[in-house]
Amino acid sequence: DIQMTQSPSSLSASVGDRVTISCRASHGIGNNLAWYQQKPGKVPDLLIYGASTLLSGVPSRFSGGGSGTDFTLTIDNLQPEDIATYFCQKYNSVPFTFGPGTKVGIK
Amino acid sequence: QVQLVESGGGVVQPGRSLRLSCAASGFTFNRYGMHWVRQAPGKGLEWVAVISNDGTKKDYADSVKGRFTISRDNAKNSLFLQMNSLRVEDTAVYYCARDLTANGYMDVWGKGTTVTVSS
Repeated sequence: DIQMTQSPSSLSASVGDRVTISCRASHGIGNNLAWYQQKPGKVPDLLIYGASTLLSGVPSRFSGGGSGTDFTLTIDNLQPEDIATYFCQKYNSVPFTFGPGTKVGIK
Repeated sequence: QVQLVESGGGVVQPGRSLRLSCAASGFTFNRYGMHWVRQAPGKGLEWVAVISNDGTKKDYADSVKGRFTISRDNAKNSLFLQMNSLRVEDTAVYYCARDLTANGYMDVWGKGTTVTVSS
């Protein structure tokens, strides 16, 4: 099975900063990657699919990129409401594995 | 509005069974594949199972294959997860989730139901 890793596991940044989270697949998955945001005590929310397509209603400060094995989620102009854990997920084939998550905090 | 509501969680001894349900509303249920995803306390997300919109195709994570069965009743807008031979490591919040385009990613999630496996 394809393994998913994320880095860093956690980070702290200041309001207004640009934050980049990496997600890596152990084998190529094309652009079959989604990103989810899970705020503390809440259910996950889909942010991005197709590696870079923003779900309708998601703020434009979020963006995704990459293909194959290396992907990124970027948050421009970090806001206090962006405090959350972010998960990538591959969906090229079963199992639809999630990455271990990156916890984003505010300095 | 679009909504998924899970039920059926509880505390159960190892080796016993439990059946989870997920009631869907606000959308045409039979047009969408559906997933179960779980999250152990303080841990990340683990995909559990998926079923196609018509119920003919099912897939499972290796960790539950042979023990869990996903099913659906489109006439009742309901999704199910039959969990047999439960293990301590199955303890988690179980979410049902809608597959946006039958490709494997999930755009609507329920609030989850908690399953605790403990002796």
